[in-house]
Amino acid sequence: AQSVTQLDSQVPVFEEAPVELRCNYSSSVSVYLFWYVQYPNQGLQLLLKYLSGSTLVKGINGFEAEFNKSQTSFHLRKPSVHISDTAEYFCAVLNYGGSQGNLIFGKGTKLSVKP
Amino acid sequence: DGGITQSPKYLFRKEGQNVTLSCEQNLNHDAMYWYRQDPGQGLRLIYYSQIVNDFQKGDIAEGYSVSREKKESFPLTVTSAQKNPTAFYLCASSIDGLAGVRDTDTQYFGPGTRLTVL
Repeated sequence: AQSVTQLDSQVPVFEEAPVELRCNYSSSVSVYLFWYVQYPNQGLQLLLKYLSGSTLVKGINGFEAEFNKSQTSFHLRKPSVHISDTAEYFCAVLNYGGSQGNLIFGKGTKLSVKP
Repeated sequence: DGGITQSPKYLFRKEGQNVTLSCEQNLNHDAMYWYRQDPGQGLRLIYYSQIVNDFQKGDIAEGYSVSREKKESFPLTVTSAQKNPTAFYLCASSIDGLAGVRDTDTQYFGPGTRLTVL
């Protein structure tokens, strides 16, 4: 069964520093990949997604992620973070070609940006 | 404005009571989903519906029930059989719930309902 691992539960970083949030998935079958952001007491907002094509995906708020099939990874990066990026980030994987409804989420990474 | 609404934002329930969480979307999406979020656990799928009058159990359906009588509505009932119902509940929708479809698989989320059992 597919599983998603977000290697860091918390990532503290100073403002204007670069950040990478790591995500690995288990199954090598064809997948769609997503990153969502959640601000306190709110729903999830889609940051970016990989469906096909270029392995470097650009999203909102200056974030980007790179799909690496051989390493089954989809790490999220931002070259310079702001205080407003403080939130929880979730990586999610959907296997296509099978039954629908199975968007598998990682346990989340809390990004804390300090001044 | 198109989107997904969930009500209420906060809900308190006494032990032994059933409670229904509302989810409405005006995006004309066929598929709708309910997730439960617990601290440090990520999101877990409770139920999903690919089309009106049809729904499927997710990974943690025990103690929950749903209905899909209208395309825009997918209410979730937390029954007294759910042993630990205190959590944040998120509703989502996507254009098309059928397997193997590409961009239409993207799920969009509502603002959530925080349920607390007293």
